[in-house]
Amino acid sequence: DVKVTQSSRYLVKRTGEKVFLECVQDMDHENMFWYRQDPGLGLRLIYFSYDVKMKEKGDIPEGYSVSREKKERFSLILESASTNQTSMYLCASSARQGGITEAFFGQGTRLTVV
Amino acid sequence: AQTVTQSQPEMSVQEAETVTLSCTYDTSENNYYLFWYKQPPSRQMILVIRQEAYKQQNATENRFSVNFQKAAKSFSLKISDSQLGDTAMYFCAFMFQGAQKLVFGQGTRLTINP
Repeated sequence: DVKVTQSSRYLVKRTGEKVFLECVQDMDHENMFWYRQDPGLGLRLIYFSYDVKMKEKGDIPEGYSVSREKKERFSLILESASTNQTSMYLCASSARQGGITEAFFGQGTRLTVV
Repeated sequence: AQTVTQSQPEMSVQEAETVTLSCTYDTSENNYYLFWYKQPPSRQMILVIRQEAYKQQNATENRFSVNFQKAAKSFSLKISDSQLGDTAMYFCAFMFQGAQKLVFGQGTRLTINP
């Protein structure tokens, strides 16, 4: 059974804290993604990585950074958390291939910044 | 840039009825893929159905089928004989060939009533 695991389902952090959201996949996928989900806005891509140590900005990278030191792990970092980063964060992975590919998602981390 | 629009924020139907969720997209690409994802209250995103743009035949998966109109850039999801377990957020998503990343619509919250 394929699996993408996010380290926390719920997280409460204070403004200004450095926050790490961790994601691990066991499918040997090349691609990994971080999305942010907000009501009425759907899922928006923050960052993605198509290989170890490689990263590309998505649509809303401001205020975030990422790290991919190992193929199976992709971390999202909020350098200084702010209240407007209160949201649901979803990690996903997919195999890199030429044709249609399915993305597999974690169960999400609901982050509240107070 | 590709955009995906779901114009129905919420829908509600009775169990066993048929329901259609709308999705339109905008792209200048010719080769791409379209997806419908389901997110139940558990928050686990699940792929419902996918369609390759070069295929004229509409995809079908059991009670789920799509109406893909390439010229109109429309990709609606039909759920037949709806069940209580179909209650979820539904997201339409687009990926152009070779891009590996998904662009999502705003989502439609579907409620199936007993």
